[in-house]
Amino acid sequence: KAGVTQTPRYLIKTRGQQVTLSCSPISGHRSVSWYQQTPGQGLQFLFEYFSETQRNKGNFPGRFSGRQFSNSRSEMNVSTLELGDSALYLCASSGAGGMNTEAFFGQGTRLTVV
Amino acid sequence: QKEVEQDPGPLSVPEGAIVSLNCTYSNSAFQYFMWYRQYSRKGPELLMYTYSSGNKEDGRFTAQVDKSSKYISLFIRDSQPSDSATYLCAMNPGANNLFFGTGTRLTVIP
Repeated sequence: KAGVTQTPRYLIKTRGQQVTLSCSPISGHRSVSWYQQTPGQGLQFLFEYFSETQRNKGNFPGRFSGRQFSNSRSEMNVSTLELGDSALYLCASSGAGGMNTEAFFGQGTRLTVV
Repeated sequence: QKEVEQDPGPLSVPEGAIVSLNCTYSNSAFQYFMWYRQYSRKGPELLMYTYSSGNKEDGRFTAQVDKSSKYISLFIRDSQPSDSATYLCAMNPGANNLFFGTGTRLTVIP
């Protein structure tokens, strides 16, 4: 069974640009969550999508957005990039249940903003 | 104050030692408690999850939750060099958003 796939693995962008990251969850999983990981703040929840609807949202500015497609694949977008957006962005998928008790993470996309 | 506090370490132990990793939390609404292991340049891997106070054992790993003290622990017995990684505690209030500790970097020396 394939795991969670995130693309691309690495990205370098310039301040002010926008970026789109992709996540393909484990087959059959309907919930996809996104996290930002930085050395100073650790892992922080961005948002969660379930059946194409945003179900939960963390405390990030509106520059961070996402969506989920009918096949459960998800994308997140960051507009007007800032240097502080440099981080490892992780996607986690879990089944149809309401709890994130068995969330499986992808390897992440490392974004560097210069 | 962060909702989940975790000693960042680093922690170095000799092979075969018992390792104790700990987190404290402030939000009484947290119901589910997890431990993840993250190797360098990899995503977090779920090791253990618990719901109620008490102990849960899985091989060399034991997770302990004390809700009255808002304190969780992960014990690793007979530690191996392959256990060298960053260990993250995580918890949630029942919704699909995890609150993570900052992680403890563990090195097991052969």
